[in-house]
Amino acid sequence: GQNIDQPTEMTATEGAIVQINCTYQTSGFNGLFWYQQHAGEAPTFLSYNVLDGLEEKGRFSSFLSRSKGYSYLLLKELQMKDSASYLCAVYTGGFKTIFGAGTRLFVKA
Amino acid sequence: DAGVTQSPTHLIKTRGQQVTLRCSPISGHKSVSWYQQVLGQGPQFIFQYYEKEERGRGNFPDRFSARQFPNYSSELNVNALLLGDSALYLCASSLLGTSGPDTQYFGPGTRLTVL
Repeated sequence: GQNIDQPTEMTATEGAIVQINCTYQTSGFNGLFWYQQHAGEAPTFLSYNVLDGLEEKGRFSSFLSRSKGYSYLLLKELQMKDSASYLCAVYTGGFKTIFGAGTRLFVKA
Repeated sequence: DAGVTQSPTHLIKTRGQQVTLRCSPISGHKSVSWYQQVLGQGPQFIFQYYEKEERGRGNFPDRFSARQFPNYSSELNVNALLLGDSALYLCASSLLGTSGPDTQYFGPGTRLTVL
């Protein structure tokens, strides 16, 4: 079966750091994506991990452990505009990408 | 460069009707994928097309069909609409559509409401 788990909601304070976790159990694994989706809008690409380790891109970093079926997205220096849903997605191969339900992040002043 | 475009933006249909949604990929992208996103959930994979051929299909009934044209644009068709088909339908384009992972860029979506 295919299963991707993320927390439903998280709340953090402006200027702080937040870590959004994702665990997956899929029939195949060829890469993991993180997308940001503001309410009523389309998902936008944030990061992509294929190998174990940390990928840093500005205020956003993503980590992958393939042996543990685990990834996290780290957001630093939170801004109000970071309030959105964050989607973890696994490319399982066979031209299929499986998305988690998403984590809604609320950034408060 | 223009991003992925979809039409129409919103659509209201009644049960039993048929609907066709359209998508134009980013220029140069040859692969188009379709997703259904119900409120509060992540996108669910429906189809991927590359070079006019279906390369992948999700767990959706045969009422859902799609095709890709020579200019790489695509249509998603849903027959015999059910209330449960109400959702945001997202189209995503990617450059290669190969068997390896390829970053997908999403269009703004079509909001379908079935009454």
